[in-house]
Amino acid sequence: GAGVSQSPSNKVTEKGKDVELRCDPISGHTALYWYRQSLGQGLEFLIYFQGNSAPDKSGLPSDRFSAERTGGSVSTLTIQRTQQEDSAVYLCASSSTPQVELFFGEGSRLTVL
Amino acid sequence: GEDVEQSLFLSVREGDSSVINCTYTDSSSTYLYWYKQEPGAGLQLLTYIFSNMDMKQDQRLTVLLNKKDKHLSLRIADTQTGDSAIYFCAESHDGGSQGNLIFGKGTKLSVKP
Repeated sequence: GAGVSQSPSNKVTEKGKDVELRCDPISGHTALYWYRQSLGQGLEFLIYFQGNSAPDKSGLPSDRFSAERTGGSVSTLTIQRTQQEDSAVYLCASSSTPQVELFFGEGSRLTVL
Repeated sequence: GEDVEQSLFLSVREGDSSVINCTYTDSSSTYLYWYKQEPGAGLQLLTYIFSNMDMKQDQRLTVLLNKKDKHLSLRIADTQTGDSAIYFCAESHDGGSQGNLIFGKGTKLSVKP
């Protein structure tokens, strides 16, 4: 596609439910990133993929969070047993290599009631 | 560990110059970036500077890098209301686990007419 696409753009869920957030990177981009942006908290790194593998998962806030990437393309971020503190905008970005411009999607806004 | 610090808020009058400051800790940084985030949107690369440069100018934008003090600044000349956004400083370097890119928390620029 022309840009990084994320879905859903908005998700409202009840505490305790599982959610899946999807990211379609720019075609051909090998690097993919997930960030979380909470109100007043800035940009928090979650996980980074190079191809299908994630060199470092230590940015994930708890074991309720997991992410995968298949075929070197689409990535899914899964949050199990959501909590109210998970409410945030989840941003995905991709780049052709890890050291050049990151292209961001518009984010998925998650609200946990 | 690596860290990027920015002040959280800046308010200027339309037509004045804005200067957004950033400090970083990793002396091995190769590129330093400024990203802009408009309300409800993802981040967009504004400009970047290679670590062996002191200054880069691009139209109304001037980036200054003091590598000795690990200080980066972004100057916006003739600031307009459309420049109101959050500005993120970021650094990249070899060997980092976050896809080699570390962001500050962002500076919210408010431009008053």
